[in-house]
Amino acid sequence: GAVVSQHPSRVICKSGTSVKIECRSLDFQATTMFWYRQFPKQSLMLMATSNEGSKATYEQGVEKDKFLINHASLTLSTLTVTSAHPEDSSFYICSARAGTGHYGYTFGSGTRLTVV
Amino acid sequence: GESVGLHLPTLSVQEGDNSIINCAYSNSASDYFIWYKQESGKGPQFIIDIRSNMDKRQGQRVTVLLNKTVKHLSLQIAATQPGDSAVYFCAEKHSGYALNFGKGTSLLVTP
Repeated sequence: GAVVSQHPSRVICKSGTSVKIECRSLDFQATTMFWYRQFPKQSLMLMATSNEGSKATYEQGVEKDKFLINHASLTLSTLTVTSAHPEDSSFYICSARAGTGHYGYTFGSGTRLTVV
Repeated sequence: GESVGLHLPTLSVQEGDNSIINCAYSNSASDYFIWYKQESGKGPQFIIDIRSNMDKRQGQRVTVLLNKTVKHLSLQIAATQPGDSAVYFCAEKHSGYALNFGKGTSLLVTP
C-alpha cells in the first residue's frame, strides 16, 4: 500500500530558529500533498495544499512567509517553519494524494514541534 | 464557513459492547467521507470510507452509515476492544481534494 514517511518525528528548537519537516511518498508519486496542524485535543486543521512544481495554496489565516512549502519533486514536500515561536509548537502532519479513493489520502506519522 | 462536526466529544464503552460515533456535516456538496482513527502521537489511520451515492458500507467490525437528508454520518464498531481506544475523526472531501476534518471523538474502552 501507499506509504508516506515524515521526518523528523519530533524536534525541539529555540525560539527564532527555523525547522524543516520532510514528507516523502515512498512507493508512489504524489502530485498533491497536504499539510495539517493539530493542537492538543483538537482536530487536524488544513494549512496548505502543495502541488508538485507550483506554488502552494495556503488556507486563510496561514502565513505563507512563515510556513514555507516546497514540493520540488513527485515524492517530496517540505514544510519549513521560519522564525519559530512557542505558539508554533504543535503536531504537524502531512498527507499525500496519488489517486482516488482512500488510497489517495495517505498520512505521515506526524512531527511534534516544540519551540522553547 | 461550512464545516464537519461531531455530536459527542467523548465516549466510554465496555469491552465487547458496540460503539457508535456520530458526525454532522454541513456541506451538502460533499461527495466523499472517511473515518479515521488516531492514536496519541500518531498520524490518522484509515478505517472506512463512503461515497455520497451510498448510505451504508461495511468493513471488518465497522460500519459507516450516511444519511444525506440530515447530513449525518456515523461509525459503528462491533464488539469494541481495548485496542479500539483512540480518537476518531470523520473527514469530508474538501474543494481542491483536501480533506476537512471534524472535531473528533475520544473513544475509551473499559474492561
